Amino acid sequence: SAVISQKPSRDICQRGTSLTIQCQVDSQVTMMFWYRQQPGQSLTLIATANQGSEATYESGFVIDKFPISRPNLTFSTLTVSNMSPEDSSIYLCSASGRGAGELFFGEGSRLTVL
Amino acid sequence: EDQVTQSPEALRLQEGESSSLNCSYTVSGLRGLFWYRQDPGKGPEFLFTLYSAGEEKEKERLKATLTKKESFLHITAPKPEDSATYLCAPSSGSARQLTFGSGTQLTVLP
Repeated sequence: SAVISQKPSRDICQRGTSLTIQCQVDSQVTMMFWYRQQPGQSLTLIATANQGSEATYESGFVIDKFPISRPNLTFSTLTVSNMSPEDSSIYLCSASGRGAGELFFGEGSRLTVL
Repeated sequence: EDQVTQSPEALRLQEGESSSLNCSYTVSGLRGLFWYRQDPGKGPEFLFTLYSAGEEKEKERLKATLTKKESFLHITAPKPEDSATYLCAPSSGSARQLTFGSGTQLTVLP
C-alpha cells in the first residue's frame, strides 16, 4: 500500500487568486491522479499527472485552469488558478496500486473560495 | 458513456441489522468493478475488486457480489464503525476509465 500526504488540508481563498496543492507519496508509483469531489457528489477525475511530461486532462478541465506538475515518481502538485466560488471543492490526490482501479487516496484538500 | 447509479442514497441501520447496497452500471466492456469506503473528511479507501459475473469477495462483515449489470455490497450484522459512504466504481479499462458512483451513505446506530 501507499501513504499519500496532501497539503494544505484546507484553505479559504479569495476570488481571483491561485492555490497550489502538494501531494507526496511514501513510495514510487507509476500513476498519479487528481480528482475533484464537490459537496454531496462523487469523484470526478481532473487529470493524470505524468512524470516528466504534460498532464493528461479529462474533458472539461484545462491546463490553464489546473496546471499540474510531477517532477518525480513520488510528488505532484495541482494549482487551481484564478479561483471563483465554483472552484470550492475537495481536491484529492491518488496513486495507482496493484490493479488498474485499486487507488490510494490522500485525505484531500478542502478549498473554499469567497 | 459509462454510467453508474448507487442506491439507496442513504441508509440507516440498527447495529446487527443486515442489508445490501446496490450499484447498477452501464459500461462498455467491463474490466473491473471496485468498491471503496469513504469516511467523513477522508479520501476513499479501497475495499474490493470484482472482475467477472458471479465473483464474490469478502472482508469482515462485508461481501461484494457482481452480476452483468449490478454489484451488491452486503453488510452482515453491521457495527457503528461500519458507518461511512460506500462508493462503487466500474472501469472499462485503465484507472482513467473509472466511473465513480455518488455513493450510499450508511449510518449504523448503536
